[in-house]
Amino acid sequence: AQSVTQPDIHITVSEGASLELRCNYSYGATPYLFWYVQSPGQGLQLLLKYFSGDTLVQGIKGFEAEFKRSQSSFNLRKPSVHWSDAAEYFCAVGALYGGSQGNLIFGKGTKLSVKP
Amino acid sequence: DGGITQSPKYLFRKEGQNVTLSCEQNLNHDAMYWYRQDPGQGLRLIYYSQIVNDFQKGDIAEGYSVSREKKESFPLTVTSAQKNPTAFYLCASSSLFRGGTEAFFGQGTRLTVV
Repeated sequence: AQSVTQPDIHITVSEGASLELRCNYSYGATPYLFWYVQSPGQGLQLLLKYFSGDTLVQGIKGFEAEFKRSQSSFNLRKPSVHWSDAAEYFCAVGALYGGSQGNLIFGKGTKLSVKP
Repeated sequence: DGGITQSPKYLFRKEGQNVTLSCEQNLNHDAMYWYRQDPGQGLRLIYYSQIVNDFQKGDIAEGYSVSREKKESFPLTVTSAQKNPTAFYLCASSSLFRGGTEAFFGQGTRLTVV
């Protein structure tokens, strides 16, 4: 069965420090991978997506992610974190669900706190 | 502006009541989804629809019902059969492409049982 694992429930980093959020997936075919961000009480905003091609993808707000097929990973990175990056981050894989297309399976999220 | 509108933002339900959450999109997307979000649980799929007048159960459909009479609208009813309805509900839509297109989300409705 398809699944997404985000091993870190909560991460705290200092402002200006680098960030890496981990995501591992289980999927039987070529995955379509996404990272979303959610501020408290809000909907989800897409940060970046991987469909095919270059395994290093750039997103909004200075985020990037690297697809590593051999490790079944799609980790999110940012070289210098800003206080406004504090939020919850969700990794997702595009799945065939009951024969449909376009549905996403989400990890349980990683909450990011930023220290001044 | 194109997007997804969920209403209301906050909703309170008494025991034994049915309540309906609204979701409207003007993105001309074929597919629409309802997710439930609980703390530490991520997003779990309740129902999805790819075409008008058709919808499919997701992982946690028990106690919920939906309709899709118009392409733009996908309301979710939380029935009295749902024993633990307090949660944050998110509606999403996407175009029908082979798993590769992203979903766009509304701002959510927080439902509380009182």
